[in-house]
Amino acid sequence: QVQLQQSGPGLVKPSQTLSLACAISGDSVSSDTASWNWIRQSPSRGLEWLGRTYYRSKWYNDYADSVIGRVTINPDTPKNQFSLHLNSVTPGDTAVYFCARDPGVSISGMVIPDAFDVWGQGTTVTVSS
Amino acid sequence: EIVLTQSPGTLSLSPGERATLSCRASQTISSSYLAWYQQKPGQAPRLLFYGASRRAAGIPDRFSVSGSGTDFTLTISRLEPEDFAVYYCQQYGYSPPVSFGQGTKLEIK
Repeated sequence: QVQLQQSGPGLVKPSQTLSLACAISGDSVSSDTASWNWIRQSPSRGLEWLGRTYYRSKWYNDYADSVIGRVTINPDTPKNQFSLHLNSVTPGDTAVYFCARDPGVSISGMVIPDAFDVWGQGTTVTVSS
Repeated sequence: EIVLTQSPGTLSLSPGERATLSCRASQTISSSYLAWYQQKPGQAPRLLFYGASRRAAGIPDRFSVSGSGTDFTLTISRLEPEDFAVYYCQQYGYSPPVSFGQGTKLEIK
């Protein structure tokens, strides 16, 4: 049974960096089919996908246009987790942050994306001085 | 960029009634890359359906999905008290890689 456990601060000051971690049990961050995603949710933005990291013989990242340039998602293979770093935060980044797994589907040697079948518990992050 | 628009924003129904929730895509997408989620207050979204109408584990058969092209529907045949929640559609595999609809709140009338 795959589980994701989030950790990180719930309060970040404006202009600083928001950092969250998502620990994986029951799967591997180095899986050659899964991708590891961060999503946030706020009343103004709804559910907003932020980006993902995944391993296909090497590490790849994709990021949402809305946060590109401010966001980094990194795998941590020794700890079997992945992290989100969002810099230069403003009150507009206040949201509930979730990590989630896309298990991927392997078809004829290609990995096809899939829906998010496992989610972390969510972390409420407030950006305020 | 694919934008998903859900309607209605809020649906007020009584237990036992039938619920029909809509998700419209701004361009044609394959149902193989459309998912539906249920979210209750204080919880993460829960996967209901994915990839061409595949039902996630533990989802009762009163839930069903249909549609193709740009128009997709989630139907709950007979509402149970635990079905009142917010429902989201999601596309994956296009550009951007993932996007969500804004949600339909299903509330008790």
